[in-house]
Amino acid sequence: DAKTTQPTSMDCAEGRAANLPCNHSTISGNEYVYWYRQIHSQGPQYIIHGLKNNETNEMASLIITEDRKSSTLILPHATLRDTAVYYCIVRVASLTNAGGTSYGKLTFGQGTILTVHP
Amino acid sequence: DAGVTQSPTHLIKTRGQQVTLRCSPISGHKSVSWYQQVLGQGPQFIFQYYEKEERGRGNFPDRFSARQFPNYSSELNVNALLLGDSALYLCASSLGLGGGGETQYFGPGTRLLVL
Repeated sequence: DAKTTQPTSMDCAEGRAANLPCNHSTISGNEYVYWYRQIHSQGPQYIIHGLKNNETNEMASLIITEDRKSSTLILPHATLRDTAVYYCIVRVASLTNAGGTSYGKLTFGQGTILTVHP
Repeated sequence: DAGVTQSPTHLIKTRGQQVTLRCSPISGHKSVSWYQQVLGQGPQFIFQYYEKEERGRGNFPDRFSARQFPNYSSELNVNALLLGDSALYLCASSLGLGGGGETQYFGPGTRLLVL
């Protein structure tokens, strides 16, 4: 799986949009971009994922650049409860990948600590 | 709908002991993956099981083993516990063996402390 680079920490004011960047310059054409977040000592929570197109759900929007080398997770109206560690992960899409790759494997980096202030 | 469940929530063991952690996937999900998360780091992949067979293994010693049952629940076993095994152990489930488009959903984890 491709490696990702995220800022170590970010701050955001409550009610404002939080824009979390992720660099994945070595992403392959068959790899998805996934975002999870983890609130202190809880299990990671799935947020959103995408392959090429921008995606939106009830939690967030995912903007993927045309060359797919970077993406941005957008929380449109951040609340205090959005304070968490946010992980950007790229993951193979195809079952034709050889070499014993485990498709269940998510490779987590250090993530971005997002702190939402009142 | 019930999410991924794990038991116990917390566990304290001493060095050299053995521990068994349990996971029940979301109903209908056939794949279970296990992760270890030590303090201050992101989760690290240990195993994936699908249809009762091991389909992937991370860089963990043979002291770590797992199995999946016919109802798709799973157990993670760790033998000869070391202090460094103290961590949050996470279970995640997905519908199938997967690929990038198949989302994994995590349970709340089991906090293991080895003294």
